[in-house]
Amino acid sequence: GAVVSQHPSRVICKSGTSVKIECRSLDFQATTMFWYRQFPKQSLMLMATSNEGSKATYEQGVEKDKFLINHASLTLSTLTVTSAHPEDSSFYICSAPESSGNTIYFGEGSWLTVV
Amino acid sequence: GNSVTQMEGPVTLSEEAFLTINCTYTATGYPSLFWYVQYPGEGLQLLLKATKADDKGSNKGFEATYRKETTSFHLEKGSVQVSDSAVYFCASTNSGGYQKVTFGTGTKLQVIP
Repeated sequence: GAVVSQHPSRVICKSGTSVKIECRSLDFQATTMFWYRQFPKQSLMLMATSNEGSKATYEQGVEKDKFLINHASLTLSTLTVTSAHPEDSSFYICSAPESSGNTIYFGEGSWLTVV
Repeated sequence: GNSVTQMEGPVTLSEEAFLTINCTYTATGYPSLFWYVQYPGEGLQLLLKATKADDKGSNKGFEATYRKETTSFHLEKGSVQVSDSAVYFCASTNSGGYQKVTFGTGTKLQVIP
């Protein structure tokens, strides 16, 4: 069945570097994808809505220059954490509603550790 | 917008005990409701869902009923196991479509032998 694949599942990077996380819809096209972030021991908070072929829509308080989102095709959205700092260490997860609108799928999530 | 409120944890139960995790929601219209589970060190998994009033979602012995009159979607299981230890998130989507998901704060469940 349709799934959403996220890569990498775990990544460690050094402070000041950038890291890219990919979210792919398999078997279906997703014009919209969503990126969430989970702080330690807290809930998942929506960061931004990724729109295929146009700019992402960011939630209030999310730095768009720090969290770059690109939705270049109908099956791929990427989140790039730029100039990462230890406070960016978190669990990032994407979701995509199936085109029929009846089901929403989540990726497996990506654990980012910035050292 | 939507909001979801769920009981704070952690919840600690002995194996085979009865589990209830309360969840209430606020929304305009008729949202869909979900319970997600996150096992330690893993991603998010859909546990069950309900799309309209009086629907009952069930999976792996867990159940939740969409109660419009009380705006609730409480999660229950008759007999928990150690393997059920995880964080449980109640969630809703905006009415009319499966788009943005609003999550509750999560409830950590620890089941001890």
